[in-house]
Amino acid sequence: GAGVSQSPSNKVTEKGKDVELRCDPISGHTALYWYRQSLGQGLEFLIYFQGNSAPDKSGLPSDRFSAERTGGSVSTLTIQRTQQEDSAVYLCASSLMGQQIYEQYFGPGTRLTVT
Amino acid sequence: AQTVTQSQPEMSVQEAETVTLSCTYDTSESDYYLFWYKQPPSRQMILVIRQEAYKQQNATENRFSVNFQKAAKSFSLKISDSQLGDAAMYFCAYRSASGGRRGAQKLVFGQGTRLTINP
Repeated sequence: GAGVSQSPSNKVTEKGKDVELRCDPISGHTALYWYRQSLGQGLEFLIYFQGNSAPDKSGLPSDRFSAERTGGSVSTLTIQRTQQEDSAVYLCASSLMGQQIYEQYFGPGTRLTVT
Repeated sequence: AQTVTQSQPEMSVQEAETVTLSCTYDTSESDYYLFWYKQPPSRQMILVIRQEAYKQQNATENRFSVNFQKAAKSFSLKISDSQLGDAAMYFCAYRSASGGRRGAQKLVFGQGTRLTINP
């Protein structure tokens, strides 16, 4: 079956612009995660969704970052007023259930470059 | 907070040889899960192997095996008969088993080890 997909694959934006990154999880997966992978910080957790609610958004680095999930499926990560330090690869993962030890399946990521 | 440390930024091995990647972690929890993920240039993270902390037996998946030392908080990955397709970044990751606790669902990653396979 289809895996986790993310779009766009690459995004170049100017400092100060807003960007939206999209994640399509595996069908039927109720848990969805966003991570950020950058040279300086490694792989960091951003936010976790169970269904449409986000019980853990502790990893969002500032209030410029927000995410939503609709219909228990697609999720959008929005970064407002982008800064150069936001440049990174944003990875999305999904799993069957958040509270059980089900494998997290990752998408190919979106590489964001802020110029 | 839990932390994961991979002390080897880069490793290389001859094709068909065996290589071991190191990982240590810090936690006050007694029940948790540990993982090794592989990230090839395509960027897609692939689960290689996982270990439940309550299991004493080390996990094995074909050419991949782990040496899990709970008391030492060590979790190394051994790759036997290395193949060119094994070249990638390898990440060690921790996940709490306390599913109901806020923050327990996320993976905590190490900094990664870049593995090169020499033909």
